[in-house]
Amino acid sequence: NAGVTQTPKFQVLKTGQSMTLQCAQDMNHNSMYWYRQDPGMGLRLIYYSASEGTTDKGEVPNGYNVSRLNKREFSLRLESAAPSQTSVYFCASSEGRRQPQHFGDGTRLSIL
Amino acid sequence: DAKTTQPPSMDCAEGRAANLPCNHSTISGNEYVYWYRQIHSQGPQYIIHGLKNNETNEMASLIITEDRKSSTLILPHATLRDTAVYYCIVTGNQFYFGTGTSLTVIP
Repeated sequence: NAGVTQTPKFQVLKTGQSMTLQCAQDMNHNSMYWYRQDPGMGLRLIYYSASEGTTDKGEVPNGYNVSRLNKREFSLRLESAAPSQTSVYFCASSEGRRQPQHFGDGTRLSIL
Repeated sequence: DAKTTQPPSMDCAEGRAANLPCNHSTISGNEYVYWYRQIHSQGPQYIIHGLKNNETNEMASLIITEDRKSSTLILPHATLRDTAVYYCIVTGNQFYFGTGTSLTVIP
């Protein structure tokens, strides 16, 4: 039972490049989330999806887009990467909005 | 959603109980108290949550005051593997992770 799987685990980009971070969960959860964590700080919510086909902005959505492809998968896209987006990105899922969230191991993204 | 206040760091001797406090004076009636921890740079791990009553599971106990303005997470017998950052979160619909308490368990 893998839980929440994120790919890739590490990535280095140049400013202006685009990329998509992938997230998949095998717990049949309805809700999925993308967070970013900067050094010495807590997690900040970028986007969330309460159910398949719906997405909503979190605290820090600027510069990102998301796709809830199906119930299992929730991807995060950086269209034109900027150094300020250097961070660790975590995906999470939960049965419902108020239920415990299960996190992946993170994607460490550096933008030069 | 209510915000929380936690001490930035705490130490605890191995084998002793670790008591981590959290203030959430603006909590509203339908908001839950959640606790997570993050070891090194791994993804946060769910520990426990509650609404009004005290809760206990295999990892920890959660004590919520009667007025619900504060709570305490108790790790009954701390081990070195409990060294982590502990986040107290009060939530209606969104989880706001603050900077948490960095707990160091000392041998």
